[in-house]
Amino acid sequence: GAVVSQHPSWVICKSGTSVKIECRSLDFQATTMFWYRQFPKQSLMLMATSNEGSKATYEQGVEKDKFLINHASLTLSTLTVTSAHPEDSSFYICSASLFRRALTDTQYFGPGTRLTVL
Amino acid sequence: AQKVTQAQTEISVVEKEDVTLDCVYETRDTTYYLFWYKQPPSGELVFLIRRNSFDEQNEISGRYSWNFQKSTSSFNFTITASQVVDSAVYFCALSEASYGGATNKLIFGTGTLLAVQP
Repeated sequence: GAVVSQHPSWVICKSGTSVKIECRSLDFQATTMFWYRQFPKQSLMLMATSNEGSKATYEQGVEKDKFLINHASLTLSTLTVTSAHPEDSSFYICSASLFRRALTDTQYFGPGTRLTVL
Repeated sequence: AQKVTQAQTEISVVEKEDVTLDCVYETRDTTYYLFWYKQPPSGELVFLIRRNSFDEQNEISGRYSWNFQKSTSSFNFTITASQVVDSAVYFCALSEASYGGATNKLIFGTGTLLAVQP
């Protein structure tokens, strides 16, 4: 149980294009999903938190117009990197948790998406 | 402010050796959760354990064991009789209480790269 998938697992795109990454909870309903990015040999940096049916909450320094997050259903959240540039190249990881406003829930992580912007 | 420190950036051991990964945390919350995740070379974070702040009992799961000590704000992870398959980056994380919102952010440490040599 508690499986989270991401698609695509890797993507290469040209500078200036937009890329959409999907995050799905396969066997549970996720009221909250999280988006992280991870640079090589570094820790995970939380980008935003999305709750189903409401706007995402972005961390300080994360451009909400550049990283569009949609959490339209309890099993799907999407991250769209708009007008991607080489500095956006990174490993993007999503996670999902079941409960809202609880410390007891655990975040289950997807396998990540490696984005390379040429 | 919450903070998680993993002072060991890299550890190398020979198979069958025991190894302990250190984790020290800072928080003003009285209620919080601590986690360990494993990130193998494939990139996917694998949940290992969750421990709440009121439960200081040590836990053992197979070759894995965890020592939680509130007095020293530490949550150390020991692998007994290490195996090559244990080679990965291990992250310690702290859940942050967000009373004004609906999130349960994870504060990650910087990770410890464990290399188990055959």
